[in-house]
Amino acid sequence: QQQVKQSPQSLIVQKGGISIINCAYENTAFDYFPWYQQFPGKGPALLIAIRPDVSEKKEGRFTISFNKSAKQFSLHIMDSQPGDSATYFCAASGTGANNLFFGTGTRLTVIP
Amino acid sequence: DVKVTQSSRYLVKRTGEKVFLECVQDMDHENMFWYRQDPGLGLRLIYFSYDVKMKEKGDIPEGYSVSREKKERFSLILESASTNQTSMYLCASRSDSLRQPQHFGDGTRLSIL
Repeated sequence: QQQVKQSPQSLIVQKGGISIINCAYENTAFDYFPWYQQFPGKGPALLIAIRPDVSEKKEGRFTISFNKSAKQFSLHIMDSQPGDSATYFCAASGTGANNLFFGTGTRLTVIP
Repeated sequence: DVKVTQSSRYLVKRTGEKVFLECVQDMDHENMFWYRQDPGLGLRLIYFSYDVKMKEKGDIPEGYSVSREKKERFSLILESASTNQTSMYLCASRSDSLRQPQHFGDGTRLSIL
């Protein structure tokens, strides 16, 4: 059973556009929500993370929006660039938990 | 910078063979993880270890075992490889401090023929 549901599976965006990836969860014990970025041939790397006490976190062109009541969170990439083309994974974990539950991934392609 | 090194980028083995995947981290992290990555399924946790000689099953441990004899090294063992274990395997490590990121190796693409 998938603990974190992620959509869409793939996304094609024009350069300069906004990329939006959505995730949803059921377990209310989750309190940490990171996003990982994976380039071809590389392992995933932490991009940005949020806790449920804030509704939004921004780092450069990347923003996480968090809706605690709906149990949803999303990644927005503003002014998308070809260099942003990668696979993005959302994830979640609970307090004291050692492991992360990952979404199924979104392959983003930004076309020039 | 944290470095997680997986011993092989590509590996081809035969059905029934015993397969060892090795992972080494250089940051003295307490926690280490093994995942498999399959298209459309994301990253699924096989096993993790929170200390030397300690291990816990993840979501898909069947057909796998692990070994952690030294803090920096975490091995994944396929006892008798099967074709459905053909996959990308990713190792990660993380410190014990709360909410620290997992640091991943670049993966081993394993093919079982």
